[in-house]
Amino acid sequence: GAGVSQSPSNKVTEKGKDVELRCDPISGHTALYWYRQSLGQGLEFLIYFQGNSAPDKSGLPSDRFSAERTGGSVSTLTIQRTQQEDSAVYLCASSFTGFGGYTFGSGTRLTVV
Amino acid sequence: QKEVEQNSGPLSVPEGAIASLNCTYSDRGSQSFFWYRQYSGKSPELIMSIYSNGDKEDGRFTAQLNKASQYVSLLIRDSQPSDSATYLCAVSNRAGGQNFVFGPGTRLSVLP
Repeated sequence: GAGVSQSPSNKVTEKGKDVELRCDPISGHTALYWYRQSLGQGLEFLIYFQGNSAPDKSGLPSDRFSAERTGGSVSTLTIQRTQQEDSAVYLCASSFTGFGGYTFGSGTRLTVV
Repeated sequence: QKEVEQNSGPLSVPEGAIASLNCTYSDRGSQSFFWYRQYSGKSPELIMSIYSNGDKEDGRFTAQLNKASQYVSLLIRDSQPSDSATYLCAVSNRAGGQNFVFGPGTRLSVLP
């Protein structure tokens, strides 16, 4: 596609439920990031995929968070047993290289009630 | 811990003035520098990239890089109310991952 596509755009879930967030990067982009942004806060790095290399998972806040990238394209971020503090906007970004400028998707706003 | 610092603002400038946004970084190995604009409730949008010392101009925007001082800035000429947003500085070396670091952002308000 022309841009980075994220779905759903909004997700309301009950505390304790699992959620899956999807990111479809720009075709041909080998690098993909997930970030989290709480209201009025900066970008919090979560995980980074680059080609076929092992992902950099050092930003995942707990073992309830996991992510995968299938076939070097679509990525899914899974949050298990959601907590209220998980409420935030989850942003995906992709780039042709690992160190170039990134294009962001429009994000998924997650609300845990 | 690689750090990127920005004044949080808000930086208020009158319409038509030059807005100057500053950013410092800690990693001397940094090679790529970016400015993103983020409107309230929207995702960040890449507006400028710079890789070598000096100035780079694109329309009303000029990015300035001084690697010796570990300093990068963004100038916005003829500021418009539509430029009111948060501006994020991002710095990277070639390793990517945690080495692509965003600053906290400076909130700019252009007053009509």
